[in-house]
Amino acid sequence: NAGVTQTPKFQVLKTGQSMTLQCAQDMNHEYMSWYRQDPGMGLRLIHYSVGAGITDQGEVPNGYNVSRSTTEDFPLRLLSAAPSQTSVYFCASSSGLVPNEQFFGPGTRLTVL
Amino acid sequence: AQKITQTQPGMFVQEKEAVTLDCTYDTSDPSYGLFWYKQPSSGEMIFLIYQGSYDEQNATEGRYSLNFQKARKSANLVISASQLGDSAMYFCAMREFALYNNNDMRFGAGTRLTVKP
Repeated sequence: NAGVTQTPKFQVLKTGQSMTLQCAQDMNHEYMSWYRQDPGMGLRLIHYSVGAGITDQGEVPNGYNVSRSTTEDFPLRLLSAAPSQTSVYFCASSSGLVPNEQFFGPGTRLTVL
Repeated sequence: AQKITQTQPGMFVQEKEAVTLDCTYDTSDPSYGLFWYKQPSSGEMIFLIYQGSYDEQNATEGRYSLNFQKARKSANLVISASQLGDSAMYFCAMREFALYNNNDMRFGAGTRLTVKP
């Protein structure tokens, strides 16, 4: 099993550009999430999904869109990149069964100039 | 809204000694789970230990144990016999279970642990 994979690993954008961060998991997990990690702030939840076709907002959803057309994939779209979106982005999946711990991808380091 | 507080930005411990990393939480949900993750300098997130709100005994996983004090709303991580490889960021997290299909897990700001040789 590859677990949770994310692409790209690094990305530099200019302000106003759009892009999609890819996330895939091969564990047949129903639950998937996107987090951003900023220094001194831990991980903050952006969006999450509890199954194909179902998504919901987390703590910091503004400026991001998600969709979940399949169980395996959960892409995160930045609509118009801003310097405040410079961060490390983590995708995670979980089974939905207790303890329901998150399995994390390796992260994407995004810089917006 | 749920909230996780880790009051120790950084901690130092001598190799082979035990260390306690503090975590307090705030929730009105009677059913919840508490998690600890380790993030080494390489950046990956590693799940360490879980405690359910209805679990009567403190969770243990090898050298990791969770000191769960429900009335105080604290869930401190205890690492025994520290090793150099334990140097990392440690995050406390919580998920509330009352809502059906809730996938909202919140994290604290983290504690950076440094193990001295």
